Amino acid sequence: AQKITQTQPGMFVQEKEAVTLDCTYDTSDQSYGLFWYKQPSSGEMIFLIYQGSYDEQNATEGRYSLNFQKARKSANLVISASQLGDSAMYFCAMRAVGSYQLTFGKGTKLSVIP
Amino acid sequence: NAGVMQNPRHLVRRRGQEARLRCSPMKGHSHVYWYRQLPEEGLKFMVYLQKENIIDESGMPKERFSAEFPKEGPSILRIQQVVRGDSAAYFCASSPLNPTSGGPNFYEQYFGPGTRLTVT
Repeated sequence: AQKITQTQPGMFVQEKEAVTLDCTYDTSDQSYGLFWYKQPSSGEMIFLIYQGSYDEQNATEGRYSLNFQKARKSANLVISASQLGDSAMYFCAMRAVGSYQLTFGKGTKLSVIP
Repeated sequence: NAGVMQNPRHLVRRRGQEARLRCSPMKGHSHVYWYRQLPEEGLKFMVYLQKENIIDESGMPKERFSAEFPKEGPSILRIQQVVRGDSAAYFCASSPLNPTSGGPNFYEQYFGPGTRLTVT
């Protein structure tokens, strides 16, 4: 079984500052992928970034980077230069290779302050 | 290239009625997933389908819920005799085929905008 834990129900960040959203996971699988999704108030789920368990380098996508620490089973999302449009719920998820389903955490609500 | 489409976006049903939620995957995608999001929660996997086949329904409640993905047309999630606890957002996602493995592409699950079901 897989489990995702996001310990921060809500976070505030000043516009243009960087922010880290925490995610820890638990799995007995050796091969897996970690994902981050953004859910704005309109409700859709937007894919942000992906990290494979065997990737040696941390994933980056524009202002998003994933701080992957395999030994600690953490996959924190770092958003640089926050913008007002970054205000949303952020979900960490994982999927084992060979599995069809994504397992999601409960999410972190990020509010960007002007 | 149109994304994953879901309709209706909002659905209100009285207790005991049936709810039918539709999902059209992205063009060329043959793998569909349904997830449910209860208030203040993350998404929970319900079922994974390929055309005309249910591959994994381990997250689907045993009673009142069913899903199909016919050869032609959208995938349908059907909830019979709805109860208040069924009120949630239901998301559909789709994946393209991985030509190497023959299964869904591991990296890609594109989500639709969701259907918000309210049971009164």
